[in-house]
Amino acid sequence: DGGITQSPKYLFRKEGQNVTLSCEQNLNHDAMYWYRQDPGQGLRLIYYSQIVNDFQKGDIAEGYSVSREKKESFPLTVTSAQKNPTAFYLCASSAGYQPQHFGDGTRLSIL
Amino acid sequence: DAKTTQPPSMDCAEGRAANLPCNHSTISGNEYVYWYRQIHSQGPQYIIHGLKNNETNEMASLIITEDRKSSTLILPHATLRDTAVYYCIVRVRNYGGSQGNLIFGKGTKLSVKP
Repeated sequence: DGGITQSPKYLFRKEGQNVTLSCEQNLNHDAMYWYRQDPGQGLRLIYYSQIVNDFQKGDIAEGYSVSREKKESFPLTVTSAQKNPTAFYLCASSAGYQPQHFGDGTRLSIL
Repeated sequence: DAKTTQPPSMDCAEGRAANLPCNHSTISGNEYVYWYRQIHSQGPQYIIHGLKNNETNEMASLIITEDRKSSTLILPHATLRDTAVYYCIVRVRNYGGSQGNLIFGKGTKLSVKP
């Protein structure tokens, strides 16, 4: 079945460590997005990419980095510069005018 | 993007219709109304969207007032599995990634009870 796969489902990070969250889609969507969700809050946009080898900062890009080397993949790296990384991270994709569709998220915690 | 206002929580009896309101009094002429829902610890699920006409799909109906300042999402026969947070979002329907700013607020927590 087509969809968006995020891995791992749970991730733990030590202080000062970079971690990378995976997002893969087999929907042939051009656009992909990363959002962050804190407990009891809505989603906030971190980065998005409209096409391979291009991406744009969202509202809260500081402390994060992304790459878009392949159409189906949009990994997010949470760097040590992100001082409050504990959150639920959601990846989404879309095609043309169609609504965004989301993966099931990765929950990141700090050890 | 226009802001939306939703009640923080609602209850609904199983088998009855759930009517979730959303106010968007500053909506612009080219902005659509989107509805998503999020079941605990899962990613948001797209439900329906519309511009000015009422819309219906296999999941729900969307009723938009004539002045477009408010809308109602209707789940015709709510089940326990419809318990979730429902988000109403208004934004321009841009092509591709420029629609990235789906601004999710706190939504309405719908509890469907037996």
